[in-house]
Amino acid sequence: DTAVSQTPKYLVTQMGNDKSIKCEQNLGHDTMYWYKQDSKKFLKIMFSYNNKELIINETVPNRFSPKSPDKAHLNLHINSLELGDSAVYFCASSQSYGRSYNSPLHFGNGTRLTVT
Amino acid sequence: GESVGLHLPTLSVQEGDNSIINCAYSNSASDYFIWYKQESGKGPQFIIDIRSNMDKRQGQRVTVLLNKTVKHLSLQIAATQPGDSAVYFCAEGPNSGGYQKVTFGIGTKLQVIP
Repeated sequence: DTAVSQTPKYLVTQMGNDKSIKCEQNLGHDTMYWYKQDSKKFLKIMFSYNNKELIINETVPNRFSPKSPDKAHLNLHINSLELGDSAVYFCASSQSYGRSYNSPLHFGNGTRLTVT
Repeated sequence: GESVGLHLPTLSVQEGDNSIINCAYSNSASDYFIWYKQESGKGPQFIIDIRSNMDKRQGQRVTVLLNKTVKHLSLQIAATQPGDSAVYFCAEGPNSGGYQKVTFGIGTKLQVIP
């Protein structure tokens, strides 16, 4: 199936640990994103990559480090996890069409991170 | 960036009635607007979009209206069904350095009463 898939779906870990979330899309898109959704359902963009190049980097602690090995993959590594990092993290992708034409984002089903 | 203190607005609609979900956007430079539906345990799913050179667009059972004068967006769902129960987000997409940066509203929870 064509989709945005992210793993793991659930991640429970203790404060201070380091963890990674992986994302892959087989839609042929050239732009990928990480969004964070808090307990109130508020969605906030964290990062965006276009063809492996970082193009959006919001005010996110530097404990969060995205990595894009190719345009179909965007991983998120989080160091020294804190209680406030607990949230659902969504990966998404879209096609940029030459930087001037907007297109819808396609989302994965999220990774629920719980830090204890 | 956190929605601390805000409660998710809820709209309750009888099955078969029409639903109207409203959204106010903030950036007058936004030129692209999208509605998403998020069901429990899933990611947001694209419903319909509209560009700033239009004021109305229709899809299957859904219509989006854009009023740029007052920076208002609405989603109309005709003959609402139980499967329409979800959280609905409007999103705006001004270009950021040539690439789109999609910003989401706080969402509205639609409850369909059978």
